[in-house]
Amino acid sequence: DTAVSQTPKYLVTQMGNDKSIKCEQNLGHDTMYWYKQDSKKFLKIMFSYNNKELIINETVPNRFSPKSPDKAHLNLHINSLELGDSAVYFCASSQYGNTIYFGEGSWLTVV
Amino acid sequence: LAKTTQPISMDSYEGQEVNITCSHNNIATNDYITWYQQFPSQGPRFIIQGYKTKVTNEVASLFIPADRKSSTLSLPRVSLSDTAVYYCLVFFSGAGSYQLTFGKGTKLSVIP
Repeated sequence: DTAVSQTPKYLVTQMGNDKSIKCEQNLGHDTMYWYKQDSKKFLKIMFSYNNKELIINETVPNRFSPKSPDKAHLNLHINSLELGDSAVYFCASSQYGNTIYFGEGSWLTVV
Repeated sequence: LAKTTQPISMDSYEGQEVNITCSHNNIATNDYITWYQQFPSQGPRFIIQGYKTKVTNEVASLFIPADRKSSTLSLPRVSLSDTAVYYCLVFFSGAGSYQLTFGKGTKLSVIP
């Protein structure tokens, strides 16, 4: 059973489109995250939710909008996709302040 | 904001012990240090976590000196399957500001 699962794993889309990536965790954690890994392999946090409340919101274009319907889900919606949005997006979860567990990633390619 | 610095790459022969050091000069009192391993096309995988002195588990050891301004991940007797990128993460555990800063990763190449 996958602890942190995200879909889709691969996504190829055209510039200007709107797309969503979904994430679910079955670990009972109260905190979830979205990270972006660029072509240089740097892992940067984008957002974090604790008990459905946004607690970290790094400098990310407002075209990116996270939504947490409940503690087990954190979806990422991206509007008006740009070429520079191409990256791997990782969902992760933890119990607040404890070890973070990552999903397998979603490879987004904008053409 | 805790900033981390680690070597970009390292090479090692199979069977050797590998030590990867991460510098975190402005680590705060309540910060923990965590190391992750990442294979191509996979998410980062937790290896080990510590706060001070030494922590050991079945795959690695983590050494943290008294001043906590650095930490060293030690992988005993590496094999080819240990070829991966290793990330050091410092995070704040406690009330208030919650920062999560990954190092830029150390690419370990294990040579036969």
